[in-house]
This record gives sequence, C-alpha cells and structure tokens, in this order.
Amino acid sequence: QQQVKQSPQSLIVQKGGISIINCAYENTAFDYFPWYQQFPGKGPALLIAIRPDVSEKKEGRFTISFNKSAKQFSLHIMDSQPGDSATYFCAAGGYNKLIFGAGTRLAVHP
Amino acid sequence: EAGVTQFPSHSVIEKGQTVTLRCDPISGHDNLYWYRRVMGKEIKFLLHFVKESKQDESGMPNNRFLAERTGGTYSTLKVQPAELEDSGVYFCASSQELGAEAFFGQGTRLTVV
Repeated sequence: QQQVKQSPQSLIVQKGGISIINCAYENTAFDYFPWYQQFPGKGPALLIAIRPDVSEKKEGRFTISFNKSAKQFSLHIMDSQPGDSATYFCAAGGYNKLIFGAGTRLAVHP
Repeated sequence: EAGVTQFPSHSVIEKGQTVTLRCDPISGHDNLYWYRRVMGKEIKFLLHFVKESKQDESGMPNNRFLAERTGGTYSTLKVQPAELEDSGVYFCASSQELGAEAFFGQGTRLTVV
C-alpha cells in the first residue's frame, strides 16, 4: 500500500518534444503529490506539486495531470530542452513523509 | 540563505567500520528528514524529526542505524557497524512546517567495501 510505481525508467526526447512520465500509487490516504528534479551531484529539488482536489496544475512548461479514481498522476514537459535532462522523481505522501518512485532518467537531445 | 548542507559528500569505508553522516538543515526549519537511495532504486524514507524529537522512525532499516538531533539543530546519522547493503546515497531534507515543501541537501554517497 505504500508503493509508488514510476515509468518509464529512462526516456529520450528530441528538443522541442513532449516528455511524459507516469506514476501510480496505492494508498488513498495520500494527499500531496510532488515531482522532484535532480541533476547529477545535486539533491532533488521540488519542480511542481499537486493536491487531489484538482485534476491539473500547470507551471510554465511543466504540467501535472492527476486522476484520483485511477490513482495515477503524470508529469508533462512541453517543448523539452536539453537543460531539462535530469532524473525526475514522483512522490506521494501525507503531512510528514514522502513515498518516492524509482526515478526516470530523461535525456533531451538537441 | 544557505540551503540544506550535508557532510561528507562521499565516504568510502570498510565493512564493519562506523560512519557518521551530518546534516545541517535550513535555519528555522523544525522538521528534518533522512532518506536513502540504494542502487538506483526509489528514494526511501528513513525518519523524521520535529525539533529534537523523533516523530517517525518507521523507515530505519535496523538497529545499526542511529539518528540524533541534539538541540534541534543539526542531525547526525550513524551506521555501526556498516554492511555492504548500506551503500547508497543518503539525503537529508528540511521543511519549515509539516506538509510544507521539503528542501533536500546534495546527499552523502556512502560506499561500503
């Protein structure tokens, strides 16, 4: 009940394309769904987050789509850029801890 | 404002030795978390401090791991004795309030040989 499954494990996208990463969770008590971006040698940094009372949140080129009934959420990166190349982690949690997915290594080719 | 800082960045130790990792949270952040990522898998929760009190240590793997946060400021995570399976990247994070954004440090890469 505490797992968050993330796919794909790795993703290659051409510059200007759309990157899509999917996550599924099991625990219906989760009420916070953040996405973290991590560059090599750095810690994860919050990219965008959503709460279950909305189905979509957009910040610039980054959009979270949330499907509460399916217990799934996804990250869409529009107009992907080489600078977006990083590892992305989805997470789900309550007020005091996060359950992370295994990460997706994104490479955006020029 | 300084972010979350962790020391050391890397540590290589032999099986059976002791290692102590340190985390300095963002000033004023009462909530401090330890997480670990092993072999490219998911980042797993270890424990959560509120000030100096352990709020949730359900993720601690076993009694070879000891976390402290004396005075409610910096925290240490000691592994004694270290085993091969303890290798991984240990992350510390802090947040000002429960449920607020958690800021992560750069991590400590621990290698047990």
